[in-house]
Amino acid sequence: EPEVTQTPSHQVTQMGQEVILRCVPISNHLYFYWYRQILGQKVEFLVSFYNNEISEKSEIFDDQFSVERPDGSNFTLKIRSTKLEDSAMYFCASRTSGTTDTQYFGPGTRLTVL
Amino acid sequence: RKEVEQDPGPFNVPEGATVAFNCTYSNSASQSFFWYRQDCRKEPKLLMSVYSSGNEDGRFTAQLNRASQYISLLIRDSKLSDSATYLCVVNEAGRRALTFGSGTRLQVQP
Repeated sequence: EPEVTQTPSHQVTQMGQEVILRCVPISNHLYFYWYRQILGQKVEFLVSFYNNEISEKSEIFDDQFSVERPDGSNFTLKIRSTKLEDSAMYFCASRTSGTTDTQYFGPGTRLTVL
Repeated sequence: RKEVEQDPGPFNVPEGATVAFNCTYSNSASQSFFWYRQDCRKEPKLLMSVYSSGNEDGRFTAQLNRASQYISLLIRDSKLSDSATYLCVVNEAGRRALTFGSGTRLQVQP
């Protein structure tokens, strides 16, 4: 069964450093998403991406965040200058163009900002 | 007011028990509804979509009440492997994003 994959599984960084989280969505999917989950809290939407542009973003997704689909398979989330409060699990998700909006999630990247 | 609200639990039940979770959502324009399952420190995994007519998948039954804006999940004959957090998830009309509840934790005991 096709899966969403993410790398790395765990990223440790110093406050103020830039990090890039990588995702490979399911190959025939067209819509891509990033969510985050701070430890002990609910999953929160960050951004959705379709047709090489952002289609929706949340209040969390400020100027420190950016997304890119640099080639036909990868989908990345960049945090320019990490803060302590960026420590969280970051999940990538993707879905087809169907109307059911079923999103399939990757295993996540645990980001720890020190 | 929380957009999607769930009882956090935990629900501690013996194997073989029937357990039910409820969830309420605040946006009446919500159009798609799901139950996801999340194991500790893992990704959410789709358990089932929820349809207006109600739907069943094996031991799992989901119901949607649009008038009251609540969704339910019933698990029959609980297994140890059902122990997880169950996430009520809603998609609002016109939005790409999924809105998650905080989850209800289930612990099935031998």
